[in-house]
Amino acid sequence: DSGVTQTPKHLITATGQRVTLRCSPRSGDLSVYWYQQSLDQGLQFLIQYYNGEERAKGNILERFSAQQFPDLHSELNLSSLELGDSALYFCASSVEDRHQETQYFGPGTRLLVL
Amino acid sequence: AQSVAQPEDQVNVAEGNPLTVKCTYSVSGNPYLFWYVQYPNRGLQFLLKYITGDNLVKGSYGFEAEFNKSQTSFHLKKPSALVSDSALYFCAVRDEGGGSYIPTFGRGTSLIVHP
Repeated sequence: DSGVTQTPKHLITATGQRVTLRCSPRSGDLSVYWYQQSLDQGLQFLIQYYNGEERAKGNILERFSAQQFPDLHSELNLSSLELGDSALYFCASSVEDRHQETQYFGPGTRLLVL
Repeated sequence: AQSVAQPEDQVNVAEGNPLTVKCTYSVSGNPYLFWYVQYPNRGLQFLLKYITGDNLVKGSYGFEAEFNKSQTSFHLKKPSALVSDSALYFCAVRDEGGGSYIPTFGRGTSLIVHP
């Protein structure tokens, strides 16, 4: 158990809908990262927050947004969902934002868009 | 720019035999290298990392990795494979010379250990 929690574990929804994925980092970790894992694209970095502020952006679609709250939990919002958004979404956390930091991953949310 | 390659999609090994999962990287500065393992329907679990110092890094579950600067490689090894080691393995790199702290992950190597 990494100490990172994600809810829900599974989500089934329809195209065009909006969902929110939640992540609670390890106690004391300031940095939160979101990743999307699909069979054809591998593990893709979406976005990072550090102590409440956006720190880095990756291949995140405009339909997707995220935020980190004062208690350091983070939410990833996915809207106007398409079939191709079906994937595993992981949250990871680290203590600081440095090269040597280890990221600790949550169990993931499996999203299925029908 | 940083990049990492895992040249084998799948590695097959018999239980009890040594295993190697390959990883090569490209960076402009000094590399920070990581190995993670993903079991089915689970998140990635940290195995080990290289920051500086000893080229042989020891990690969890009996795994170790050898940093080779001249060959720009960071292969994961274990002297004696277990069936329970069967999983997806990811190598990741951060470039000290890069402008971001975001790691780049390889596409993963599926390790299958046969009884």
